[in-house]
Amino acid sequence: NAGVTQTPKFRILKIGQSMTLQCTQDMNHNYMYWYRQDPGMGLKLIYYSVGAGITDKGEVPNGYNVSRSTTEDFPLRLELAAPSQTSVYFCASTPDNSRIEQFFGPGTRLTVL
Amino acid sequence: KQEVTQIPAALSVPEGENLVLNCSFTDSAIYNLQWFRQDPGKGLTSLLLIQSSQREQTSGRLNASLDKSSGRSTLYIAASQPGDSATYLCAVRQTGANNLFFGTGTRLTVIP
Repeated sequence: NAGVTQTPKFRILKIGQSMTLQCTQDMNHNYMYWYRQDPGMGLKLIYYSVGAGITDKGEVPNGYNVSRSTTEDFPLRLELAAPSQTSVYFCASTPDNSRIEQFFGPGTRLTVL
Repeated sequence: KQEVTQIPAALSVPEGENLVLNCSFTDSAIYNLQWFRQDPGKGLTSLLLIQSSQREQTSGRLNASLDKSSGRSTLYIAASQPGDSATYLCAVRQTGANNLFFGTGTRLTVIP
């Protein structure tokens, strides 16, 4: 099992550009999450999904969109990049059972200039 | 809203010392609490998961305790090693919520 994989690892965007952060898991987990981590801070939830075709907002969803067409993939889209979106983005997954730990990907470091 | 706090923000100890990292949370209605390790520029590695019905969990030199009623958890690291240097994050999964609420972490440095 590769676990949770994320691409790209690093990216620099100009203000107003768009991009998609990719996340894939091969553990057949229904629940998937996108978090962002700002310097010196804990992680905050952007969006999550409890299964294919179902997504919901987290704590900081503004400026982002997600889709979940398959169990494996949960891409995060930035439409109009802003400097405030400079952060490290982590994808995570867990099985249905809420008592199971969450598994995290290696992260994508995004800089918006 | 759940607030998770970790104190201290940074800690330096000499190699071989035992140490305790603290985590507190404001809402005791939780499913579980998870401790993570994060190395610089890397992702999160899960260390221990404590269910709300449990008092502690152990893995090797690590022992995590949970006192749900007082909203506290501790991570005890025995006989610290330089390889333990990292940032340690705690996160709680609140009852009725799907996501984790994270603390800001404790940056640990173990000096050889």
